[in-house]
Amino acid sequence: EDQVTQSPEALRLQEGESSSLNCSYTVSGLRGLFWYRQDPGKGPEFLFTLYSAGEEKEKERLKATLTKKESFLHITAPKPEDSATYLCAVQSNDYKLSFGAGTTVTVRA
Amino acid sequence: NAGVTQTPKFQVLKTGQSMTLQCAQDMNHNSMYWYRQDPGMGLRLIYYSASEGTTDKGEVPNGYNVSRLNKREFSLRLESAAPSQTSVYFCASGPRGDSPLHFGNGTRLTVT
Repeated sequence: EDQVTQSPEALRLQEGESSSLNCSYTVSGLRGLFWYRQDPGKGPEFLFTLYSAGEEKEKERLKATLTKKESFLHITAPKPEDSATYLCAVQSNDYKLSFGAGTTVTVRA
Repeated sequence: NAGVTQTPKFQVLKTGQSMTLQCAQDMNHNSMYWYRQDPGMGLRLIYYSASEGTTDKGEVPNGYNVSRLNKREFSLRLESAAPSQTSVYFCASGPRGDSPLHFGNGTRLTVT
């Protein structure tokens, strides 16, 4: 059975304090790994797709990386507007999509 | 461009009542999905529709039914609501099965 575990559950950062979120996964053949951002009271919003180990994607202060067993979402010099819940999802070769429970990031000014 | 629109935004039901959650997308996507989100758990797939005219069960289909009314609309029906169905329900769409999903803003359902 495919499994996705995100850590930590919650992360409190000072503005400018860089950190990383972890997404560990087991899947029977990886088709793709997705990162989403979810603001309170809203639906998830797509950030990145990663397809193979060694791949990296960047968007503003966010950088996602992928290995064969995990993905990291690095937040560099975060701002309060980066506060959100970040969700990781893995899709197996049979198109099944499994979501992690998310990491809630709070950035204090 | 509205994207994925869900109605209603909030709903309170008594045990045993029925209701239909509505979802429409204006992106001409083939695939549509219904998820539920509960605290401490990942999004769980209830039902999906890979294309107009087809629907399939997801991970947690019991107590729900769906209708793919046309390419734009995908509704979720609770025939006899139970407190265990208290959750936030999200509709999503994508151009095909391996695409990133576009989500609506959810329906917050409480069953008392």
